[in-house]
Amino acid sequence: LAKTTQPISMDSYEGQEVNITCSHNNIATNDYITWYQQFPSQGPRFIIQGYKTKVTNEVASLFIPADRKSSTLSLPRVSLSDTAVYYCLVGAGTGFQKLVFGTGTRLLVSP
Amino acid sequence: GAVVSQHPSWVICKSGTSVKIECRSLDFQATTMFWYRQFPKQSLMLMATSNEGSKATYEQGVEKDKFLINHASLTLSTLTVTSAHPEDSSFYICSAYQGLAGETQYFGPGTRLLVL
Repeated sequence: LAKTTQPISMDSYEGQEVNITCSHNNIATNDYITWYQQFPSQGPRFIIQGYKTKVTNEVASLFIPADRKSSTLSLPRVSLSDTAVYYCLVGAGTGFQKLVFGTGTRLLVSP
Repeated sequence: GAVVSQHPSWVICKSGTSVKIECRSLDFQATTMFWYRQFPKQSLMLMATSNEGSKATYEQGVEKDKFLINHASLTLSTLTVTSAHPEDSSFYICSAYQGLAGETQYFGPGTRLLVL
């Protein structure tokens, strides 16, 4: 299972764009990159998933370079409610593969 | 999107008793479910992988006789903490694989267990 490395914490202000980068040097060919958000005392919530290049949905964008050894989650115009822990995971492939959570990035959005 | 529920959302019990936590996939069938445990300020730790109709696969260091997992149907998996002790107090979270392209895992809301 590919290991991921993220910054432990990040600070931002309301309205700013936040980019959280995750390193996954040992990503396998059939691995996907998935980001989850977790609020205190809640289960993780799926944000976005990608395999290569760029993926965008209504809440975030995911940028993946050609070598796929890293990825960047981009949150446009964050609000106070985006304060949470964000986890980057790589895994899965042809089957139901378990995911290993790293330390995550604790994002604090201030007024 | 796919919805996973857990019941109960929180439970308080006396030391030595057993506690059962249910995990249900509400709008999809999940042949595989996962159970995690999370202590305060820490990341999720995978406990076991539960496959419908077969025995669960436990991660190293997780006592299978203490954390009994049953996955009797495609929409229900249960975790029973047997003879619970205060050190078992934690936040237990399940997830289920929808099985579609991209292999996304959907998580339940979690169950807070406090053992007195």
